[in-house]
Order: sequence, then C-alpha cells, then structure tokens
Amino acid sequence: AQSVTQLGSHVSVSEGALVLLRCNYSSSVPPYLFWYVQYPNQGLQLLLKYTTGATLVKGINGFEAEFKKSETSFHLTKPSAHMSDAAEYFCAVSGGNNDMRFGAGTRLTVKP
Amino acid sequence: EAGVVQSPRYKIIEKKQPVAFWCNPISGHNTLYWYRQNLGQGPELLIRYENEEAVDDSQLPKDRFSAERLKGVDSTLKIQPAELGDSAVYLCASSLGVQGTEAFFGQGTRLTVV
Repeated sequence: AQSVTQLGSHVSVSEGALVLLRCNYSSSVPPYLFWYVQYPNQGLQLLLKYTTGATLVKGINGFEAEFKKSETSFHLTKPSAHMSDAAEYFCAVSGGNNDMRFGAGTRLTVKP
Repeated sequence: EAGVVQSPRYKIIEKKQPVAFWCNPISGHNTLYWYRQNLGQGPELLIRYENEEAVDDSQLPKDRFSAERLKGVDSTLKIQPAELGDSAVYLCASSLGVQGTEAFFGQGTRLTVV
C-alpha cells in the first residue's frame, strides 16, 4: 500500500521568496508521484508528475519537484513566489494499480 | 474536451435524509474515483472503479454509502441515511487507467448535513 506525508500544514512566504513544500512517500512498489493544487471551491489541478526517467520534473506555473529515492521524498519548489500561488497543495502517490492516495495538504500563504 | 462533470455543486439536507451525487468522467477514461474531502484535509479515497468493476471499496462505509457505475461510464454515489459527520466535499476523478497517468478532477459537490 502507498501513503504520503506532507510536512507542514501551513507554509508562509513573502512574494519573490523561494517556495519549498515537503512530501515524503511510502510505497512497496516503484511509485508514481504527483503534485496537485487546489484553489478555493475548486477541484484539484495537476501541477506535475514523476513516472520514470529524469528525477527533476518541471510543471506548470514555474513549479518543479525532484524525486529522491534514497530519501523517499518528492519536494515541490518554486524559485520566486507570486501572490497567485496562494492555494492548497497536495502530494499524491500511486502504485502500479492506479490506487492514488493523497497527503493531508499544505496551505501556502504568500505575503506582499 | 469536456472535463469531469459533477452535479450538484452544492447540497444541503437534513440528517437521516438520502442524497445522491452524480459524476460524468472524461470520455475514454476507464478508471473512476470517488473521494471525500473534509475541511482542511486531503482527499480520502472512497471507491475506485476500473470500467464497471469496483476494484477498491475498502474505505466505503457500506452501511450507508453505495455507488454504482453502470456501463462503465457515469457514476452515482449515494448516502442513506445521511449523518452530520457526512458533511464534506465529494470529489469525482477519472483517469485513462494506464500506469502513471494522472487523475482529472471535477469541481466537487459540497454536502452540508444539518
């Protein structure tokens, strides 16, 4: 079975500062990893995903994440935060059977 | 291309009443998920379908929840009777069903039980 732990339920950064959202996973099989963003009263939107190959994955809106097998991590970063990045972010893991499980989420606040 | 469509968007019911949610997945998507999202938490899987077969319903409270996916397309999730603790957002998602493909989400149905 797969599971995800997101460290930090709330993260606050200043506009223009680095964004770092942490995700650690547990999986008995090689994982597929995802980051989703959720804006208020909306469904979840895919930011990026890791399947195989290159461990540094680039997504939409300037976000990227690096898969580190030795650390069982898939942290999400963005060099410079924008006000529009304020949202809830979810890390998810899937094994080979399409069983997608989500973390508890991290709420990102961007201060002007 | 149309996304995942859910209805209704909002529903308010009294406890002990029945309620149903409807989901129309993206055309051609074999896998369909129902998740429940409580306020401030991540989505929790209730049931996953591969075509018309429920392959994972281990987290579905079967005493009051039921789901169906007739003909492997649209799906309905039902609660009968509803309890106060069922207040949450119910999310439907679909995917191609190929390993590593992402799930696409609908906007959800916000249920309030009073």
